Amino acid sequence: AQSVSQHNHHVILSEAASLELGCNYSYGGTVNLFWYVQYPGQHLQLLLKYFSGDPLVKGIKGFEAEFIKSKFSFNLRKPSVQWSDTAEYFCAVTGGSNDYKLSFGAGTTVTVRA
Amino acid sequence: DAGVTQSPTHLIKTRGQQVTLRCSPKSGHDTVSWYQQALGQGPQFIFQYYEEEERQRGNFPDRFSGHQFPNYSSELNVNALLLGDSALYLCASRIVGGGARETQYFGPGTRLLVL
Repeated sequence: AQSVSQHNHHVILSEAASLELGCNYSYGGTVNLFWYVQYPGQHLQLLLKYFSGDPLVKGIKGFEAEFIKSKFSFNLRKPSVQWSDTAEYFCAVTGGSNDYKLSFGAGTTVTVRA
Repeated sequence: DAGVTQSPTHLIKTRGQQVTLRCSPKSGHDTVSWYQQALGQGPQFIFQYYEEEERQRGNFPDRFSGHQFPNYSSELNVNALLLGDSALYLCASRIVGGGARETQYFGPGTRLLVL
């Protein structure tokens, strides 16, 4: 069975600081990797996704993530955060081509102080 | 272009009761999945419906059942409610043609409280 672990439960940053959120997954085959974000009062929305090819993927709002197969990791980064990046961030995985269920990590709450 | 919609937004029930939650998928989508998100946790997959049939199921008891209608909308039913069923219930829709790589779009959720 797939599992996803996110290293940090709560991260507090100042504006302009850099952000990196860790994500590790456990799965024995091909995986598809996603980062979702949930802003306060809003529903989950996709930040970025990785299936194959260049392991560095760019998403919306200046976010990027790097897939490191040897480490089973898919860490999310942003060079300079804004107050509006305050949200909960979820790493998720589907396995192979026929496994449609998203397996989510527990999430990381990011608070950006102005 | 309407996104995924869910009703009701909030619901309070007592133990032992039954509840029905509703979901309308994003325009053009034909597949609906349901997730349960307990407080402080990530969403947990309940099941997925396509062509009015349950295609994949997570580790949830038979008290959780669903239905998909010809217009692709879906219902989640939970019988014999337990206190532990209190959670945010999310609906997600997608196009089946893209396979497991296809983005799932989430609705705002229904907050269920069981007393």
